[in-house]
Amino acid sequence: GESVGLHLPTLSVQEGDNSIINCAYSNSASDYFIWYKQESGKGPQFIIDIRSNMDKRQGQRVTVLLNKTVKHLSLQIAATQPGDSAVYFCAESLDSSYKLIFGSGTRLLVRP
Amino acid sequence: KAGVTQTPRYLIKTRGQQVTLSCSPISGHRSVSWYQQTPGQGLQFLFEYFSETQRNKGNFPGRFSGRQFSNSRSEMNVSTLELGDSALYLCATSHGGSQETQYFGPGTRLLVL
Repeated sequence: GESVGLHLPTLSVQEGDNSIINCAYSNSASDYFIWYKQESGKGPQFIIDIRSNMDKRQGQRVTVLLNKTVKHLSLQIAATQPGDSAVYFCAESLDSSYKLIFGSGTRLLVRP
Repeated sequence: KAGVTQTPRYLIKTRGQQVTLSCSPISGHRSVSWYQQTPGQGLQFLFEYFSETQRNKGNFPGRFSGRQFSNSRSEMNVSTLELGDSALYLCATSHGGSQETQYFGPGTRLLVL
């Protein structure tokens, strides 16, 4: 995982604050969306997913919001912790395509 | 349950050589997808295999190929390596249905000199 983008947008937040990471997806026909977290030296780790028939889904400390009108996806992390520091990717998929199309990623830095 | 494993983890090759990478899926997973990750291009889909058949293919040249065995383990091969093939190669596995979560392995870091 290391450097997955030389000029990744970076979000810096204070420990304990909430984080919001945004993603614009490319295909209006995409019907499945996923957020992955990638730490240095590791492969992407699944966080949460959402299908196009939903506009919100919650997990443990994370919420994904989907706005199909403007092709926008967001990941909200509550009470951000130092262990949340990583690069976050959104990915989209079309039904039956079996392939994921990834966004360019956002680096999240959590300040102690 | 063991996660996705990839071997080798690191590899150094020279231009013109060929390389084979291996991916062992999570037990019960029959779909294996391969992705290339570079700083410039990000994560890009290479191909996906299910039950030993390629179901989908990305936009990579024919030098990139793959296969899947009856135990669902998969290999990808890159022939006639170029400097630009230096990347992290990731595989992701799932049960194989659409809209199913894909779980990634740690990747193989390939450096072409």
